[in-house]
Amino acid sequence: KQEVTQIPAALSVPEGENLVLNCSFTDSAIYNLQWFRQDPGKGLTSLLLIQSSQREQTSGRLNASLDKSSGRSTLYIAASQPGDSATYLCAVGGISNFGNEKLTFGTGTRLTIIP
Amino acid sequence: DTAVSQTPKYLVTQMGNDKSIKCEQNLGHDTMYWYKQDSKKFLKIMFSYNNKELIINETVPNRFSPKSPDKAHLNLHINSLELGDSAVYFCASSHRTSGRRDTQYFGPGTRLTVL
Repeated sequence: KQEVTQIPAALSVPEGENLVLNCSFTDSAIYNLQWFRQDPGKGLTSLLLIQSSQREQTSGRLNASLDKSSGRSTLYIAASQPGDSATYLCAVGGISNFGNEKLTFGTGTRLTIIP
Repeated sequence: DTAVSQTPKYLVTQMGNDKSIKCEQNLGHDTMYWYKQDSKKFLKIMFSYNNKELIINETVPNRFSPKSPDKAHLNLHINSLELGDSAVYFCASSHRTSGRRDTQYFGPGTRLTVL
């Protein structure tokens, strides 16, 4: 059974700093990994998608890496801004017991950028 | 121009009632999903549909019944509501291209409160 863990659960950093969010998963048989952002009371916004054959993806100030063999992914945010404050969720794409595809989510990291 | 929309946004009802939540996507995707986010913000898949074909998820009580009238719609009907059904329900969609699974796009969520 896939388990996804995100550390830390909460993080506060001053504006302008670079930061790293961590995600680990127990089953390396994945087909992709996604990082999402969730603002309070809102839905999820996809930030980056890494296919299992890839090692990293970049979008603007965001860079996500994937190491399948060690079951780890990181989300790097450069030059953080107050608007980056949100909960960041890692989701691993895999196969369920019934053979269908599904995303397994981590518990999230609540990020606060201090102006 | 909302890609994935859900109605209603808020739903407050009494225990034992039957209720439905509707989801529509205008992205031309062939796969749709329902997720449940509990009070601890943990997000878990409930169902997935591909081309109107239901993929059963083993953790969902049979009081929950999804219905997909066409590829753009996936509704969730809940019978005999219980207190533990209180949560935020998210609909999502994606396109399954050959050999890979693409980004899932999420709706804004429906906050269900059972009294």
